[in-house]
Amino acid sequence: DAGVIQSPRHEVTEMGQEVTLRCKPISGHNSLFWYRQTMMRGLELLIYFNNNVPIDDSGMPEDRFSAKMPNASFSTLKIQPSEPRDSAVYFCASSFTADRRSYNEQFFGPGTRLTVL
Amino acid sequence: QQPVQSPQAVILREGEDAVINCSSSKALYSVHWYRQKHGEAPVFLMILLKGGEQKGHEKISASFNEKKQQSSLYLTASQLSYSGTYFCGTEVRLTMIKAAGNKLTFGGGTRVLVKP
Repeated sequence: DAGVIQSPRHEVTEMGQEVTLRCKPISGHNSLFWYRQTMMRGLELLIYFNNNVPIDDSGMPEDRFSAKMPNASFSTLKIQPSEPRDSAVYFCASSFTADRRSYNEQFFGPGTRLTVL
Repeated sequence: QQPVQSPQAVILREGEDAVINCSSSKALYSVHWYRQKHGEAPVFLMILLKGGEQKGHEKISASFNEKKQQSSLYLTASQLSYSGTYFCGTEVRLTMIKAAGNKLTFGGGTRVLVKP
């Protein structure tokens, strides 16, 4: 298996522009997580899905952030409009979860390094 | 609430031991440990579940004290490859039986540097 795939790996954009990050989870996994990592705030969970349904989006910073999972093999995280403080590394992770219990490890993708100028 | 990790950083010589602690203010259902090398994604090390069950892949051990809501990761006879930042991820317990359902909250990390 290729592991979790994220694109793009690097994104540089100007303030006010729309940014879309993409993730393909490991085949067979039914949980998908979006994280943001910065030096100041560490590794934060933004939102996670189980069986394509958003379960908890309490970590989404504000309305400028939105995430979708239209099917089991694809998810997007969108920022519109982007701001300099959104600069961070965004990780997508997936796992297989039975009965909503996290007995299994999360596999992280390589991340997208976002820079908003 | 984010779990608290200590120490924030540790420097070791190859072959030395170290302990990394992770404390939560909430009742825990499970604790996950991950290691992240510079510029890379976090990689799974171990899960500790309530009741003492452990699942891990490497020669790194850990403990989970449910009553104290704490977990410790033990780096024994450290190798150069152990260098990196270690994160604990905690899953809280919503009821006596039910877990939070996959959601992990990560600590601030412990930077480990193993020197030759």
